Amino acid sequence: AQSVTQLDSQVPVFEEAPVELRCNYSSSVSVYLFWYVQYPNQGLQLLLKYLSGSTLVESINGFEAEFNKSQTSFHLRKPSVHISDTAEYFCAVRGTGAGSYQLTFGKGTKLSVIP
Amino acid sequence: DVKVTQSSRYLVKRTGEKVFLECVQDMDHENMFWYRQDPGLGLRLIYFSYDVKMKEKGDIPEGYSVSREKKERFSLILESASTNQTSMYLCASSLGWGAEQFFGPGTRLTVL
Repeated sequence: AQSVTQLDSQVPVFEEAPVELRCNYSSSVSVYLFWYVQYPNQGLQLLLKYLSGSTLVESINGFEAEFNKSQTSFHLRKPSVHISDTAEYFCAVRGTGAGSYQLTFGKGTKLSVIP
Repeated sequence: DVKVTQSSRYLVKRTGEKVFLECVQDMDHENMFWYRQDPGLGLRLIYFSYDVKMKEKGDIPEGYSVSREKKERFSLILESASTNQTSMYLCASSLGWGAEQFFGPGTRLTVL
């Protein structure tokens, strides 16, 4: 079984400031890791994912996350946020084994970008 | 583009009613999922299906059932709606077990 802890439920940050959204996971097996974003009144969209290879993964809109196996973390960072980044962000984990269908989500972090 | 559609964005029902939530995907995905999303609890998996007529319970299946008669359609059924089933319901689909899940816009269900 897996579990995901997002340490901050809400993160306010000023526009153009850097931000880090923290995610830690627990699992007895190897995992894939994901960050999803949910804009107001919309469904979830995949922001980025770690499956294998380089531990640093990037999205097209400037976010990046680093898989740290020893610390079981997958924190999301952006060096300079925009108003349009205001959304709720969910970290998720899934086992790598065949038949591992289930994504386990964290409780979400609401990012509010202040003008 | 993958498209996952849900039959209603907002739904209001009364306690005891039978409720159907429909989800359709247009990319021939094998796997489909139903989640509920509640503030402070994140997303919790209710049921998923990896093939037509196949289903598996998720973390919170109590009070729900599902139906998948065709590959593109996955229905969530509340046999007798209760107020504690007031929530946002999200449907998702994926091509294979290791693939990305694509989400629909959600149905906000209120049970009075």
